[in-house]
Amino acid sequence: SQTIHQWPATLVQPVGSPLSLECTVEGTSNPNLYWYRQAAGRGLQLLFYSVGIGQISSEVPQNLSASRPQDRQFILSSKKLLLSDSGFYLCAWRWAGLNTGELFFGEGSRLTVL
Amino acid sequence: KQEVTQIPAALSVPEGENLVLNCSFTDSAIYNLQWFRQDPGKGLTSLLLIQSSQREQTSGRLNASLDKSSGRSTLYIAASQPGDSATYLCAVQGGSEKLVFGKGMKLTVNP
Repeated sequence: SQTIHQWPATLVQPVGSPLSLECTVEGTSNPNLYWYRQAAGRGLQLLFYSVGIGQISSEVPQNLSASRPQDRQFILSSKKLLLSDSGFYLCAWRWAGLNTGELFFGEGSRLTVL
Repeated sequence: KQEVTQIPAALSVPEGENLVLNCSFTDSAIYNLQWFRQDPGKGLTSLLLIQSSQREQTSGRLNASLDKSSGRSTLYIAASQPGDSATYLCAVQGGSEKLVFGKGMKLTVNP
């Protein structure tokens, strides 16, 4: 079966510090991978997605970046965090080639920027 | 621009009731609609996916219907239980990789 892991689960960081959130998927090959953010009182917002190693598409301009160094690894980064980066970050995956298929989410990483 | 609305934002019911959760969307040109459940502080769990060519999907006590022409979907929960308490979100996918989510409906089922 397929599983998706995110870490860390919780993170408290000062403004201006760097960020690295990691996501890995097990049990499948070449999945489509996604980073979403859920901010308080708002819906989920797609930040980045990737259909293959090194292939990153950005949905919104922001202080964040994403990388996919391995087939089943997706990383969300920032060089300098802003207060507005606080939120609940969710990694998700889909079966390869099924860009209209079911989306599966991880447990999320809660980021608080102080 | 696609907008997804879920009304009401919260619902509290006694155990055993049959429930209907509503989701509406403004652009009927969608590929699919997906219902999720989110427990407090947790990620999203996929409940049902309805492709645009389908009218409904069923899983256990859950049944989701889709009416593209009217821009509506409903999630029917039969014989609700306290364990069904969670936030339920619907999301639609149009012509891109992005799912557009509603803000969710918080359901409380009281024993």
